[in-house]
Amino acid sequence: DTAVSQTPKYLVTQMGNDKSIKCEQNLGHDTMYWYKQDSKKFLKIMFSYNNKELIINETVPNRFSPKSPDKAHLNLHINSLELGDSAVYFCASSHRTLDSPLHFGNGTRLTVT
Amino acid sequence: AQKVTQAQTEISVVEKEDVTLDCVYETRDTTYYLFWYKQPPSGELVFLIRRNSFDEQNEISGRYSWNFQKSTSSFNFTITASQVVDSAVYFCALLRNAGNMLTFGGGTRLMVKP
Repeated sequence: DTAVSQTPKYLVTQMGNDKSIKCEQNLGHDTMYWYKQDSKKFLKIMFSYNNKELIINETVPNRFSPKSPDKAHLNLHINSLELGDSAVYFCASSHRTLDSPLHFGNGTRLTVT
Repeated sequence: AQKVTQAQTEISVVEKEDVTLDCVYETRDTTYYLFWYKQPPSGELVFLIRRNSFDEQNEISGRYSWNFQKSTSSFNFTITASQVVDSAVYFCALLRNAGNMLTFGGGTRLMVKP
């Protein structure tokens, strides 16, 4: 009954590969997000989707492509992985109202070798 | 532009000490929300509190308290009688209206020693 679940928890892969991270929420939220946390713990938004539509796309390389098949899912696909992509990726969800806190998944630690 | 600054990158205290984590923010919005999140060593992000820009009342929840001062654009977090389990990275964040974008501060790593 986890509210925001993302898989896998750990992902180790080689440079140049393509990988996906899946995210699902069962909170009935209409907005989902991907955040990246770097090695210095800095958290930065990558994408925001509302009702399956992209509403924020911060300066993220186009190798990163989010896909939202429905309101409860927002998957992140990464092409041609680079060493600098190594980070922890957090999925989150909320209602699209200003006072709605974001609920985060437990993160996916991606290591690119 | 939105910005959240947590000037203290790391704080170390001994158990039972009180500790205050500072947060200063910048925004041109008149309506916004401020949050604190906790990230324990296990890595998940745990929501602690939300405060809107029109409510400057301080809040207390058990050993936690928050002091929001709009005049100084600060939203500080105090832990009273700290415990080892409070050891974590704490993030202050600012939510603006456009796109529900949450901007995080750099985090403060709190270490509580027995």
